[in-house]
Amino acid sequence: DAGVIQSPRHEVTEMGQEVTLRCKPISGHDYLFWYRQTMMRGLELLIYFNNNVPIDDSGMPEDRFSAKMPNASFSTLKIQPSEPRDSAVYFCASSPGETQYFGPGTRLLVL
Amino acid sequence: SQQGEEDPQALSIQEGENATMNCSYKTSINNLQWYRQNSGRGLVHLILIRSNEREKHSGRLRVTLDTSKKSSSLLITASRAADTASYFCATDSGAQKLVFGQGTRLTINP
Repeated sequence: DAGVIQSPRHEVTEMGQEVTLRCKPISGHDYLFWYRQTMMRGLELLIYFNNNVPIDDSGMPEDRFSAKMPNASFSTLKIQPSEPRDSAVYFCASSPGETQYFGPGTRLLVL
Repeated sequence: SQQGEEDPQALSIQEGENATMNCSYKTSINNLQWYRQNSGRGLVHLILIRSNEREKHSGRLRVTLDTSKKSSSLLITASRAADTASYFCATDSGAQKLVFGQGTRLTINP
């Protein structure tokens, strides 16, 4: 099993641009999570899905952030427009139930 | 908001020594999990302890849970250089949603 796959691994963009992060969960996992990690705020849960349905998006910072899961094997996290304070490492994780399996992360830098 | 708080924030020990990290949390839980994060990598699950368990072992790892004190500890015995990483506790209060602490940065000196 390839594990959770995220792309791109690194993204550098300018303020105001749209950023799309992608995630392929482990096959058979019903849950998918998006996290953001920064030195100041640690690891924050942004949103999670169960069977492709968003369950809790209370961690999404503001309307500039949106996430979709069109099918069981793909999810996107979009930031539009991006701001320098969005710079962070974004992790996707999937889970069959209790234990979560994390992807390698996308390191985002907004200039 | 962070549910778990790890203590200490950073720990540096010699190879071969034991490392102990503590985690405190605020609300009732279904289970508590420990994860490891190597620099620049995603988190890796280490061990899960349920609310009705008091102690659990996995290889060189020993986890304890005291629900009356809302605290947990992770002990790594006979530490190795490869154990250098950040360690996070995460609490599951239901709904499959984990809340992570700020982590303990562990450095093993050769």
